[in-house]
Amino acid sequence: GENVEQHPSTLSVQEGDSAVIKCTYSDSASNYFPWYKQELGKGPQLIIDIRSNVGEKKDQRIAVTLNKTAKHFSLHITETQPEDSAVYFCAPNAGGTSYGKLTFGQGTILTVHP
Amino acid sequence: NAGVTQTPKFQVLKTGQSMTLQCAQDMNHEYMSWYRQDPGMGLRLIHYSVGAGITDQGEVPNGYNVSRSTTEDFPLRLLSAAPSQTSVYFCASSYLPPGTASTDTQYFGPGTRLTVL
Repeated sequence: GENVEQHPSTLSVQEGDSAVIKCTYSDSASNYFPWYKQELGKGPQLIIDIRSNVGEKKDQRIAVTLNKTAKHFSLHITETQPEDSAVYFCAPNAGGTSYGKLTFGQGTILTVHP
Repeated sequence: NAGVTQTPKFQVLKTGQSMTLQCAQDMNHEYMSWYRQDPGMGLRLIHYSVGAGITDQGEVPNGYNVSRSTTEDFPLRLLSAAPSQTSVYFCASSYLPPGTASTDTQYFGPGTRLTVL
């Protein structure tokens, strides 16, 4: 199965700073790399994803970068705002027979101080 | 669409009691999963289903049963609750896009917070 490690486990930044969260995985067959955001008291929600044939993807203040050779991908948040405070999870997966049974990272608690 | 719904939102049980956590989705998704979330341990897969009538175990299945008689519903049963099952439980669904694209995007419900005394 997939081994997933996410770092850091907690991240505290000042409003306006950038934040970077890294996810390392073990399954070389992984081809889809999503990031989820979980706000307090809610279920996780997909915020950005990338496929294995793309190196970087941006959506306004968030971006994801992928290094398939090194088996890691990262979430980048620029110009952080207090509403970015949440728990972030990665869940790399290979599809196929692993469909529906994801392995999530341990989560990163991001706190943005006004 | 209501998406993925879960009931109840909160539940307190005594050790040894049984109960069923309900999960339903109205998106006609083939895949449904149950996860538990504990501090510092992320989301761990309990059971999952690839379609009506088909279920399988995840990483932490002990103490839980599931069944999937319809596409829409995927209940999780605790047969004899234990304090170690105190957790937040999330149900999720996903679908296989047409063609060869593989994007197992999970759609999560709001969760059930369970306390076992």
